[in-house]
Formats: sequence, C-alpha cells, structure tokens
Amino acid sequence: EVQLVESGGGLVQPGRSLRLSCTASGFTFGDYAMSWVRQAPGKGLEWVGFIRSKAYGGTTEYAASVKGRFTISRDDSKSIAYLQMNSLKTEDTAVYYCTRDPGSGSYVYWGQGTLVTVSS
Amino acid sequence: DIQMTQSPSSLSASVGDRVTITCQASQDISNYLNWYQQKPGKAPKLLIYDASNLETGVPSRFSGSGSGTDFTFTISSLQPEDIATYYCQQYDNLPQTFGQGTKLEIK
Repeated sequence: EVQLVESGGGLVQPGRSLRLSCTASGFTFGDYAMSWVRQAPGKGLEWVGFIRSKAYGGTTEYAASVKGRFTISRDDSKSIAYLQMNSLKTEDTAVYYCTRDPGSGSYVYWGQGTLVTVSS
Repeated sequence: DIQMTQSPSSLSASVGDRVTITCQASQDISNYLNWYQQKPGKAPKLLIYDASNLETGVPSRFSGSGSGTDFTFTISSLQPEDIATYYCQQYDNLPQTFGQGTKLEIK
C-alpha cells in the first residue's frame, strides 16, 4: 500500500526557516518524481514544485511564488522527500501536501498534509 | 501561467440531480486536465484524469469531457457523499495550475 507521511510543520516566525519531510512507503521511491502542493486556510490548491527522479536528472521546478526561497530535495536511500522553506512569509501559511508524481501531473497518492503557520 | 477559470464557485443541488461544473483554460491545454474532489480536512482525491478518464475505483456517476480550452465535469446523479469541493487542474505547462474550486452543497 502506498503511503506518504508529511512531518515538520508548525508555527514559525516570518523570515525564519522550516524543513518539511515526506516519508514514503509501499513503492520504489526512487522511480518517481515527488511534488508538493499547498493550501492556504480556506483557499484553493497551489502547486509548489517537484523533484524529478534520478533517472531524469533529479532536477527541480518551482512555482514563482516560492522560487529562490524553497528547495526540494530527496534521499532515495531513506525514501524521503524534503521541502526546505527559507525566508518564510505570512502568505506561506498553508497545509503542505506531498504527492507521488507519475510524470503526468495526475496525483493519485497524497499525504495527509502538515500545517505550516507563519506568524509573529 | 495558464489560468483556470472554474464555475460556478458554489452550487446547491438535490440528491439525484445532475450536476455540471465547467473549467476554462486561458490557452489550449489539449486534454491535460484532471478533476479532484476534496472533503473538509482531507487531501484531494483524483477522480478524472486526461479530461475524460475515470480513475480506478471512482463511481461511474462521475464523468469528464472536453479538450482544448473548455472542459466539463458531471455528476449524473448526486449522492449525499458527493458533498465536497471540486477542483480542475491543468498539467500541460508548468506551473501546474488549479481552478479556484467549486463547493458543492446539498439543497
């Protein structure tokens, strides 16, 4: 059974950093791209970015709203994807979901989400 | 970025009703369009991929159609468990973008 479990969310002050983890199980993690999608309280879904599998260079793509501040990485030996968030802003407050990306953008498997609150 | 305009933003219907949601892309996205259902406090669930293909395990009362810029999502006979917010998503171009959502309520 495919499972994705996010962790690392919490309350953080503006300008500070936070790292989210997405621990995967039930599939060969290294074969898949992994994406992050967020949802601000009471708002819609926003794609944050993704990391390709090593077979496709392990490269990353980001939404303009987070480019230069957020970094996605992966540790295939541990089946974990990371979202490093720096210079956090109040508008980054959201539930952050990780998803398994089959390369088509069709997200079947999602984690339960982890809430990040950026506030002083 | 490709803008996805979803309508209506909210909808109230009765059990058994046929419900239709539309999504318009700001440019041609071929059939690179998905539909998701999201219930409160839960992650989204993929219902329709590639505009018209039913995801495994999804009831056949859900369907999708369209290509290019205009897409339609239909529930043929609304059930109480269909109460949720529905989102379209394009994945033709990065950044992937979602519609603003349609909140479906029971009348």
